[in-house]
Amino acid sequence: NAGVTQTPKFRILKIGQSMTLQCTQDMNHNYMYWYRQDPGMGLKLIYYSVGAGITDKGEVPNGYNVSRSTTEDFPLRLELAAPSQTSVYFCASSYGRGGEEKLFFGSGTQLSVL
Amino acid sequence: GNSVTQMEGPVTLSEEAFLTINCTYTATGYPSLFWYVQYPGEGLQLLLKATKADDKGSNKGFEATYRKETTSFHLEKGSVQVSDSAVYFCALTNQGGKLIFGQGTELSVKP
Repeated sequence: NAGVTQTPKFRILKIGQSMTLQCTQDMNHNYMYWYRQDPGMGLKLIYYSVGAGITDKGEVPNGYNVSRSTTEDFPLRLELAAPSQTSVYFCASSYGRGGEEKLFFGSGTQLSVL
Repeated sequence: GNSVTQMEGPVTLSEEAFLTINCTYTATGYPSLFWYVQYPGEGLQLLLKATKADDKGSNKGFEATYRKETTSFHLEKGSVQVSDSAVYFCALTNQGGKLIFGQGTELSVKP
């Protein structure tokens, strides 16, 4: 039972570098989400997708991009990494809308930008 | 706007103690309310939920009652175990159907 798989688990970037956080789910869920979790703060929604080919911004989308070419994959792209993007990133999925169906989370990616 | 406020942690208890983690919310309309739990090194998992006023959600010995009059959804457990050590997040749905999380409350249970 793989569920939601995120890679990598840890990454250190230099300012200005770019990277892609990978997220894959094997539950055939329509909805997928990217959250960031900062110390002492709740999770903030970065981007979400309601199905392949459809993405939309969440609360804190600046500095990130996403794509959803398949139902399974929802990568998150950081183009010009900044220290403010140091955080723990969680990918999640749900069959229906997150307010009605429970979310399944990956185990997270801890990113440091130095 | 919609928001969730939780009591600050960390909360440290001895095994078999009674647990309360306070959660209050601000919302327009009638949101659904949730508690998610994050065990060390893992992603969040749904613990329980309530979809309307006076509903009680329960799971694994944890309970929370949706109190509209006090805009609260406090999490309780009668007797905690070391294995309950985790971070607990209260959340609600906004009118767009997306989850809004509180800041999380860390619970540490000592044997």
